[in-house]
Amino acid sequence: KAGVTQTPRYLIKTRGQQVTLSCSPISGHRSVSWYQQTPGQGLQFLFEYFSETQRNKGNFPGRFSGRQFSNSRSEMNVSTLELGDSALYLCASSLAQTTPRGTEAFFGQGTRLTVV
Amino acid sequence: KQEVTQIPAALSVPEGENLVLNCSFTDSAIYNLQWFRQDPGKGLTSLLLIQSSQREQTSGRLNASLDKSSGRSTLYIAASQPGDSATYLCAGEYNFNKFYFGSGTKLNVKP
Repeated sequence: KAGVTQTPRYLIKTRGQQVTLSCSPISGHRSVSWYQQTPGQGLQFLFEYFSETQRNKGNFPGRFSGRQFSNSRSEMNVSTLELGDSALYLCASSLAQTTPRGTEAFFGQGTRLTVV
Repeated sequence: KQEVTQIPAALSVPEGENLVLNCSFTDSAIYNLQWFRQDPGKGLTSLLLIQSSQREQTSGRLNASLDKSSGRSTLYIAASQPGDSATYLCAGEYNFNKFYFGSGTKLNVKP
């Protein structure tokens, strides 16, 4: 059974550019959430999608956006990159339905973004 | 506001020792508590999931407990091995697939 796949694994971008990261969840999982991990702030929640709808959003500026496709694959976009956006971006997939809660989340290997 | 705290931040033990990692959370309205392992530069590997109605879960040498009333969870690792060296993260789920993470405990098991 394939796990959560994130592409690309590594990216180097210049300030002001934009970037798109991709996440393919485990087959059958319809919930995908995104996290940013930095040494200073740790793991912080960006947003969560279920059936192509954003259900939750963290406290990040509007430069961070995402979407989910009908096959549950998700993309995250960051526009006008800043040096502080350098981080490991992780996505997690889960069976999470409307009810009940209590399903396990599985994470991908992450995309390491470096902004120079 | 949901906050998750882990202590200690780092731990170094000799091989074979039993150890306990601690996690505390401020909001008891938690759906799940999940423990993860992260190796340097890698993603998160799920270790144990404790649903809010459960008190503990076990997998091999790992045992995790959850006490919602006191806002605490512990991860017990028996007979530690060098391969257990990693950062251990606990995370509370308060909404669908929305986790609040602790800052982690970096474990070093010396041969």
